[in-house]
Amino acid sequence: QQQVKQSPQSLIVQKGGISIINCAYENTAFDYFPWYQQFPGKGPALLIAIRPDVSEKKEGRFTISFNKSAKQFSLHIMDSQPGDSATYFCAAREDMRFGAGTRLTVKP
Amino acid sequence: DSGVTQTPKHLITATGQRVTLRCSPRSGDLSVYWYQQSLDQGLQFLIQYYNGEERAKGNILERFSAQQFPDLHSELNLSSLELGDSALYFCASSAGTSGVQETQYFGPGTRLLVL
Repeated sequence: QQQVKQSPQSLIVQKGGISIINCAYENTAFDYFPWYQQFPGKGPALLIAIRPDVSEKKEGRFTISFNKSAKQFSLHIMDSQPGDSATYFCAAREDMRFGAGTRLTVKP
Repeated sequence: DSGVTQTPKHLITATGQRVTLRCSPRSGDLSVYWYQQSLDQGLQFLIQYYNGEERAKGNILERFSAQQFPDLHSELNLSSLELGDSALYFCASSAGTSGVQETQYFGPGTRLLVL
């Protein structure tokens, strides 16, 4: 039962471009929205997270935009680099629901 | 390196068998989480333990069980294994002191293959 829907499933971006990954959730009780980055053969690692009382959070090239009324949040990777190539998971905490993941490939 | 260790790295077994996966959390972390990652199901939360007690339960099958020991390491037991149980199993840990808004640190995973 997927309560966090993530799109797209895969994404190819040119170096220097903007990568955008979207997530939608159903349960309004969710109160913490982290994004994880996973490289092949490794466990997921926290990238950036947001609480629903703010609409945007930026850390370096990574930005989360949060739309509480639409129950959607997205990850923007500015100036995407080949080293950003990984699988990205959004999550909605309270009961640790993860999105299905987006495989990002940044072409040089 | 997240500080979370998992053993074994790889496990190959047959249907019907039972296996035990082990996780050592980061030093000082009280909470341990178990996740299953398969190609068609994404990352599925199985169960959480906090300081030895079960705290939250996700999509864990009845054939699976877990426990957290006094030294805070945790074991995930998988029994009557089926082909569909083949997956990556991750353990994560967090400090466990402030509720849900905590960073979880993931281990490198155990890759289970059921033949």
